[in-house]
Amino acid sequence: AQSVSQHNHHVILSEAASLELGCNYSYGGTVNLFWYVQYPGQHLQLLLKYFSGDPLVKGIKGFEAEFIKSKFSFNLRKPSVQWSDTAEYFCAVNARNTDKLIFGTGTRLQVFP
Amino acid sequence: DAGVIQSPRHEVTEMGQEVTLRCKPISGHNSLFWYRQTMMRGLELLIYFNNNVPIDDSGMPEDRFSAKMPNASFSTLKIQPSEPRDSAVYFCASSSGLDGGELFFGEGSRLTVL
Repeated sequence: AQSVSQHNHHVILSEAASLELGCNYSYGGTVNLFWYVQYPGQHLQLLLKYFSGDPLVKGIKGFEAEFIKSKFSFNLRKPSVQWSDTAEYFCAVNARNTDKLIFGTGTRLQVFP
Repeated sequence: DAGVIQSPRHEVTEMGQEVTLRCKPISGHNSLFWYRQTMMRGLELLIYFNNNVPIDDSGMPEDRFSAKMPNASFSTLKIQPSEPRDSAVYFCASSSGLDGGELFFGEGSRLTVL
């Protein structure tokens, strides 16, 4: 069965610090990978996604993620965070032949000015 | 498009009462998903439909939970009888199946069972 692990449960940063959130998945076949963001009190929104091609994917608001197949990882990065990036971040994966999207437990990011 | 529409946004009820949550997916989307979000368990997939047919309901906690999709533009998630441990935010999401499974989420229904 597919599963997604996010190792950082709570991250606290100052503005302008660099960010990297870990995501590992377990599934033997071909997958699609996603990062979603949930701002306080809001619904989930897509940050970026990977289907195929260049393993370095750029998303909205300066975020990017790198798919490393050999490590089953899809870590999210941002070189310089802003206070407005305070939110919860979810990694998700689905197998290519299914619509079923499995989410990690989420990482809560707090950015202080 | 208005996006995925859920109602009610907030529901407070007493233990034992029936709760019905509603969802209208994005027009043209053929897959619909119900997720539950809690602090302890994060986002759990409860059930999903494809072309109005339930495909995977393995995440439904127990028989007190049921979901229906009578047509392409409407789905319900029902809890009967409700219990305090059902308190959570319930999200509905839909997808077209054309973007590798990208989901579009509603605003959620926050359920509190006293």
